[in-house]
Amino acid sequence: AQSVTQLDSQVPVFEEAPVELRCNYSSSVSVYLFWYVQYPNQGLQLLLKYLSGSTLVKGINGFEAEFNKSQTSFHLRKPSVHISDTAEYFCAVSARGPGTGFQKLVFGTGTRLLVSP
Amino acid sequence: GAGVSQSPSNKVTEKGKDVELRCDPISGHTALYWYRQSLGQGLEFLIYFQGNSAPDKSGLPSDRFSAERTGGSVSTLTIQRTQQEDSAVYLCASSLKTVLYTEAFFGQGTRLTVV
Repeated sequence: AQSVTQLDSQVPVFEEAPVELRCNYSSSVSVYLFWYVQYPNQGLQLLLKYLSGSTLVKGINGFEAEFNKSQTSFHLRKPSVHISDTAEYFCAVSARGPGTGFQKLVFGTGTRLLVSP
Repeated sequence: GAGVSQSPSNKVTEKGKDVELRCDPISGHTALYWYRQSLGQGLEFLIYFQGNSAPDKSGLPSDRFSAERTGGSVSTLTIQRTQQEDSAVYLCASSLKTVLYTEAFFGQGTRLTVV
């Protein structure tokens, strides 16, 4: 079964510094990977996704992620963070429902990014 | 409305009572998902609807949990005889088709507190 591991529950960083949020997945089949962001008191919003093709995926708000099949990773990066990037970030992998053809999202436990001045 | 709407936004209930949580998906979205978000647990999949049918109920934690969807639109998640461990934020999402090719949009959730 597909699963996602986000080892860092919280990542503190200073404004304008680079950041990397780690995500590792477990899957024996083709994977489709996603990063979602949840700002305080808001719903989840899609940042970016990898379906196929180029392993470097660019998303909104200056974020990008790189799919690394050999390391089963899909780390999220931003070269320079802003205070407004403070949020919870969730990595997710698609998983096929039992006996069905549809895809559901299986999420990691999330990483809280705390950006301070 | 423009987005996924969930009601109520907050619900406090006594242990043993039944609760109903409502989700209004984006108009025209055929796929609807319920997730539960608990502290330190991430998002836990509960159930998926395609139209009015639920091909995957594998995430429902017990038979106290049920969900229905009518008219291919509004969905209700019902928790019977609530327990304290049911306290969580319940999130609903909808997508036009499969999440692979169409984005899943999430509501702001219903925060359920069982006292």
